Amino acid sequence: NAGVTQTPKFQVLKTGQSMTLQCAQDMNHEYMSWYRQDPGMGLRLIHYSVGAGITDQGEVPNGYNVSRSTTEDFPLRLLSAAPSQTSVYFCASSYDRGLGQPQHFGDGTRLSIL
Amino acid sequence: SQQGEEDPQALSIQEGENATMNCSYKTSINNLQWYRQNSGRGLVHLILIRSNEREKHSGRLRVTLDTSKKSSSLLITASRAADTASYFCATDGTGTASKLTFGTGTRLQVTL
Repeated sequence: NAGVTQTPKFQVLKTGQSMTLQCAQDMNHEYMSWYRQDPGMGLRLIHYSVGAGITDQGEVPNGYNVSRSTTEDFPLRLLSAAPSQTSVYFCASSYDRGLGQPQHFGDGTRLSIL
Repeated sequence: SQQGEEDPQALSIQEGENATMNCSYKTSINNLQWYRQNSGRGLVHLILIRSNEREKHSGRLRVTLDTSKKSSSLLITASRAADTASYFCATDGTGTASKLTFGTGTRLQVTL
């Protein structure tokens, strides 16, 4: 099993550009989520999904869109990149809709906005 | 806002010593989890403790939970250089369905 796969690993964008960060898992997990990690701030939840067709906002959703058309994929879209979105982005998944299960993380996408 | 706060922010010990890091949180929880993050990598789950549990062990790891003080501790015994990493606690609050909230982490350095 590949686990949680994130692509790309690195990306540099110009302010105003849009892009999609990809996340795929092959464990048939219902729950998927996106976090951003900034120095000294730990991980902050952007969006999450408890199953295909169901998404909801986390702590810092502004500037990001998500969709969940399949169980396997949970892409994160930056609509118009801003320097404040420079961060490391992590996707995670778990079996349970609730959170009584370990989260499986990808290795992250390092995004720089110039 | 951050639900969990780890203490200390950084810890440096020698191989063979024990490492203790603490996590405090703000609201009632269902579960508390601990994760490890090696430099440049994603987080790896270490241990989960439920709100009705007080202590849990996994290999060299021991986690305690005190819901009356809203705090948890992670003890790593007989540390190794390979334990060098950042450690995070994460909670899911009883009023925040399906949202896992992470603390700011403790950076552990284990030297030979």
